[in-house]
Amino acid sequence: EAQVTQNPRYLITVTGKKLTVTCSQNMNHEYMSWYRQDPGLGLRQIYYSMNVEVTDKGDVPEGYKVSRKEKRNFPLILESPSPNQTSLYFCASRGYPGTATGYTFGSGTRLTVV
Amino acid sequence: GQQVMQIPQYQHVQEGEDFTTYCNSSTTLSNIQWYKQRPGGHPVFLIQLVKSGEVKKQKRLTFQFGEAKKNSSLHITATQTTDVGTYFCAVYSGAGSYQLTFGKGTKLSVIP
Repeated sequence: EAQVTQNPRYLITVTGKKLTVTCSQNMNHEYMSWYRQDPGLGLRQIYYSMNVEVTDKGDVPEGYKVSRKEKRNFPLILESPSPNQTSLYFCASRGYPGTATGYTFGSGTRLTVV
Repeated sequence: GQQVMQIPQYQHVQEGEDFTTYCNSSTTLSNIQWYKQRPGGHPVFLIQLVKSGEVKKQKRLTFQFGEAKKNSSLHITATQTTDVGTYFCAVYSGAGSYQLTFGKGTKLSVIP
């Protein structure tokens, strides 16, 4: 089944403790992206990657890092999480622009930083 | 990224009534996408509109792209409880861009 898999689904952590949220897709998509979703603010893009070793900042990149060493994986790294990073995070992927298909989203990771 | 305004923020309708959400931009858009997110779920791609004045239908859902390519709408005819969720429009920063910006969404509640 074509899908984007995120892990973990739920995570509670303490301020300053480094964490990684994994994202993997099995559709051979070039493009991957991370979004955070907060009430009243909608979905905001954190980072995106156009292909292996090519990443760029989205609208809210502060406090996050990403890497794209393999085409299928795009982990989100929080080096020193803070309470304002408590949010619902989504990973998404798609093929090249120009196709009529949209993004395929993962099921989300609900992160709480205390 | 590209800015897009979506209205209304919330809509409560009686089952069987129609529903419309609107997306507006101050600049011309290359295309626009629509997504649906069920409560507790993740966004699911519905459709992409590319051409000026384009109208596409998916069963009870009708999607329109304005003639000037600055606005779009999603209309649901005779809502059902299965339509509950948040509907988002999303636009690329430009033709060939990889950066997709979402509107804030319209949350639809359907009263049985």
